[in-house]
Amino acid sequence: SQQGEEDPQALSIQEGENATMNCSYKTSINNLQWYRQNSGRGLVHLILIRSNEREKHSGRLRVTLDTSKKSSSLLITASRAADTASYFCATSSTGGYQKVTFGIGTKLQVIP
Amino acid sequence: NAGVTQTPKFQVLKTGQSMTLQCAQDMNHEYMSWYRQDPGMGLRLIHYSVGAGITDQGEVPNGYNVSRSTTEDFPLRLLSAAPSQTSVYFCASRSRGGAREQYFGPGTRLTVT
Repeated sequence: SQQGEEDPQALSIQEGENATMNCSYKTSINNLQWYRQNSGRGLVHLILIRSNEREKHSGRLRVTLDTSKKSSSLLITASRAADTASYFCATSSTGGYQKVTFGIGTKLQVIP
Repeated sequence: NAGVTQTPKFQVLKTGQSMTLQCAQDMNHEYMSWYRQDPGMGLRLIHYSVGAGITDQGEVPNGYNVSRSTTEDFPLRLLSAAPSQTSVYFCASRSRGGAREQYFGPGTRLTVT
């Protein structure tokens, strides 16, 4: 069963607007990661936030983590047509192997 | 570095046939995993390995076998293909230790008729 659930499942915005995607999860985590998947391709790692961090930035990406609410958000600022893709959150469990569990994803369309 | 490579890219099988999906990585990563991706289901973990000679089951292991004889290779075997195994399969690897990102292969699209 999925640990993370993204919301919304689909999002359509105009180029230049900001896109926000949310992820909720159920159990304690070691870290949370966001990945991007372009159509027909493999997943590409975007950003990782540890359980003791609250916010992280990478270029136009901003990720927040609220462990009390078991939720995270990914903000893409000043979106571009090239950001059109599916975005997945993935939670890494605590313990030795730190099993990584993916949500069902948010499909983002950025209209030029 | 080639990263994570997977072969074949596409495969069509008949029900009952067997085959092996190949996965290799050249980053000397200890951990390797196999996922399947189905519409509306996200990625689900099939099997994983924490090092050569060590494998374990993930969320959906039935109908699949794995082995890890070397650090580089982690093949996934379908013993007797079923239509329910029609999916896109991704192999991933990462290094051991704390918070580490996963590197994914390009995927194998499998259709079982």
